[in-house]
Amino acid sequence: GAVVSQHPSRVICKSGTSVKIECRSLDFQATTMFWYRQFPKKSLMLMATSNEGSKATYEQGVEKDKFLINHASLTLSTLTVTSAHPEDSSFYICSARSHLTYEQYFGPGTRLTVT
Amino acid sequence: AQSVTQLGSHVSVSEGALVLLRCNYSSSVPPYLFWYVQYPNQGLQLLLKYTTGATLVKGINGFEAEFKKSETSFHLTKPSAHMSDAAEYFCAVGANQAGTALIFGKGTTLSVSS
Repeated sequence: GAVVSQHPSRVICKSGTSVKIECRSLDFQATTMFWYRQFPKKSLMLMATSNEGSKATYEQGVEKDKFLINHASLTLSTLTVTSAHPEDSSFYICSARSHLTYEQYFGPGTRLTVT
Repeated sequence: AQSVTQLGSHVSVSEGALVLLRCNYSSSVPPYLFWYVQYPNQGLQLLLKYTTGATLVKGINGFEAEFKKSETSFHLTKPSAHMSDAAEYFCAVGANQAGTALIFGKGTTLSVSS
């Protein structure tokens, strides 16, 4: 079946630094990838939709200058949390949508802790 | 626009009892509906999905759900709960449209007691 990977799985960084999270579709091409954020004991909130070769579309309330998204190829999207603050600590999950079947496959998530 | 409402943020059952997790959706286009399970500190695992065709959908671990268009519901059931079923369950709605993300409900925590 389709596999989506995320790297790193866990990251701890200091306030003010930037962190990059990678999302890869390993065995299929994904013209669209999505980034979600999950707070403890909360649901997944869609942050942005990433389309290969174009600018990401951000959901209302998500700062595009803080959460930089790049979808440079059909198998890779990256989320960069810039100038991280402790309130950015969260579980970030990506998903990739197959361009053939429109199925959406989820990565295992990245736990970000900002100290 | 699409949205999901999961009734009951916490459901408790005894081992062997029926599990019923409720999900209602709103969608302006024919919906695709999903149930995911999440164990602590882990990602999402797909339990089952409805896209088209048969409205009663069977998934993994003995779970099933029925799409009822007239009630805009997609409730998840399991005849007999196991201790290992204790987890967070999310209902999600999507559509067969390019670029459409899944929209998730707030989740229901299932507790199973012996």
